[in-house]
Amino acid sequence: SQQGEEDPQALSIQEGENATMNCSYKTSINNLQWYRQNSGRGLVHLILIRSNEREKHSGRLRVTLDTSKKSSSLLITASRAADTASYFCATLIIQGAQKLVFGQGTRLTINP
Amino acid sequence: DTEVTQTPKHLVMGMTNKKSLKCEQHMGHRAMYWYKQKAKKPPELMFVYSYEKLSINESVPSRFSPECPNSSLLNLHLHALQPEDSALYLCASSHPIRPLRYFGPGTRLTVL
Repeated sequence: SQQGEEDPQALSIQEGENATMNCSYKTSINNLQWYRQNSGRGLVHLILIRSNEREKHSGRLRVTLDTSKKSSSLLITASRAADTASYFCATLIIQGAQKLVFGQGTRLTINP
Repeated sequence: DTEVTQTPKHLVMGMTNKKSLKCEQHMGHRAMYWYKQKAKKPPELMFVYSYEKLSINESVPSRFSPECPNSSLLNLHLHALQPEDSALYLCASSHPIRPLRYFGPGTRLTVL
């Protein structure tokens, strides 16, 4: 089964607005990652936040992590049409080797 | 070179065919992965290779047969597939103990 749930499943906003996506996970983690996937393409790593961090920034991205609630959020500020993509949170499960398990994802559409 | 390449980009095959998907990376990563992704779903882990040895098989049907001939190459041999196996197959690589995954663009597989 997948490790996490994300909401909303789909989000449509106007260019220039901020987009917030949420992720919840089930087990204890050392870190949580966010990936972006353009339609039908491979995934691109965006940002990693460690379990001892509460907030992390990278350009227009801001990620928060609340380990007590087992949740994370991804904020994209001043959205652009090029931000249209699916966004997935992912956590590692140790089972011999490391398994990267993805949340259900949020499909983000930025309308010009 | 931070690229993972996959060939072919698209593949259409009948249920009696035998075909192979190929993945290559030259980042010196010693862990490689196959994921399967259905439309509007997150990627699901199929196999993990660590130092060219199969370390995780997520109970994948035997009609999928992975192979890691060397540290740069990963193959997925396909035989007697079913229409429900139609999906995007993603390859990824990483350092064996680091969390970031580098994904290829995927092979879009259609089984008729």
